[in-house]
Amino acid sequence: GENVEQHPSTLSVQEGDSAVIKCTYSDSASNYFPWYKQELGKGPQLIIDIRSNVGEKKDQRIAVTLNKTAKHFSLHITETQPEDSAVYFCAAINSNYQLIWGAGTKLIIKP
Amino acid sequence: DAGVTQSPTHLIKTRGQQVTLRCSPKSGHDTVSWYQQALGQGPQFIFQYYEEEERQRGNFPDRFSGHQFPNYSSELNVNALLLGDSALYLCASSLETGHYGYTFGSGTRLTVV
Repeated sequence: GENVEQHPSTLSVQEGDSAVIKCTYSDSASNYFPWYKQELGKGPQLIIDIRSNVGEKKDQRIAVTLNKTAKHFSLHITETQPEDSAVYFCAAINSNYQLIWGAGTKLIIKP
Repeated sequence: DAGVTQSPTHLIKTRGQQVTLRCSPKSGHDTVSWYQQALGQGPQFIFQYYEEEERQRGNFPDRFSGHQFPNYSSELNVNALLLGDSALYLCASSLETGHYGYTFGSGTRLTVV
């Protein structure tokens, strides 16, 4: 069935360094790929998304890249700050407009 | 402008009981989706409601049912609760015409004992 694999499960980086989280999807019909940030006790919050007709999208310190051929997409966070610490989820939308989620990456920013 | 509102925030139920969770969508949204998020995992799609009807359903048993009201708010009902139903239940709203703009609530933490 459809699935999204996400790596790594935990990522620890020094404050100010960059963080990269990678996802692979299986449904070749997927055309929308959002990234969510979930803080403790809160629901997921959309931080950036990309559609299949675009290879890269950037919003300040956050960027997402998409390789449709390889079915890979990645989240890049530059100049990490303590408030970036959270669990990050990638997702892909299927042909029924359902979000298929990765298992999440716990990002730890070390001071 | 309020986003998605869910109630209650926390709930403890006994195995075999029934529970009802509630969701008010973001203003202007007409579609409500429900997700189950077990600890340490990504959300799993339960079902989606539009025009007061269940439009899509994930791989969940019939013990999980829902309803959407004319004001677009929604309820999730779970019957015959199992210990494995313990999870964070998330509601997401969107516009039917804009399938991609999902806004999530903070969820209801259900604990079954």
